[in-house]
Amino acid sequence: QVQLQESGPGLVKPSETLSLSCTVSGGSISRDNYYWSWARQHPGKGLEWIGYIYDTGSTHFNPSLKSRVTISVDTSETQFFLKVTSITAADTGVYYCARYCSGLNCDGVHWGQGALVNVSS
Amino acid sequence: DIQMTQAPSSLSASVGDRVTITCRASQDIDIYLAWFQQKPGKAPKPLIYAASSLQGGVPSRFSGSGSGTQFTLTIDSLQPEDFATYYCQQYGTYVWTFGQGTKVEI
Repeated sequence: QVQLQESGPGLVKPSETLSLSCTVSGGSISRDNYYWSWARQHPGKGLEWIGYIYDTGSTHFNPSLKSRVTISVDTSETQFFLKVTSITAADTGVYYCARYCSGLNCDGVHWGQGALVNVSS
Repeated sequence: DIQMTQAPSSLSASVGDRVTITCRASQDIDIYLAWFQQKPGKAPKPLIYAASSLQGGVPSRFSGSGSGTQFTLTIDSLQPEDFATYYCQQYGTYVWTFGQGTKVEI
């Protein structure tokens, strides 16, 4: 059973860059037809999709965040990463990493437990 | 971008009731739809993927149906632990989107 765990700083200063990592266990990060994704949730609000990286390395992002977001994968460390630049208070929330899949061998959607990020000076 | 419209935004139900939540996509997304359950202070829990496939470990009283633009999550015989907020999400295009959520209350 694949498991995902987010990690990163709980507090980030405005204008800085937020860097989060997601450690994947119980499954390969290098397989075909896997989508490694990030989402977030502002306090008391619904879910917001941030973006994903596909097995070929291609990335797609929420248009509202595209100019500030990078997603990358380190297959040797079974981790993938999220970077958000020019952070403001509006970026405060819980950040989730997830794995989606398609095709015959897809075993469903898997999410991490979330990492709380507070933006404050 | 594809808009996902969930209905209702909230509902009141009793233990044992059958509950149906709908999700409508503004464009055809084939079967690339997932449903999540979220309780206060917890991460969303995947329930259904590919519109109708039950996630491992999820009770069989949860079921999903639909394709294209119309999707449904059904909970047969609502249990006390099912009171939560439910979200749909489409992942059928390059830009993914969530529905606004449906709160199921006692």
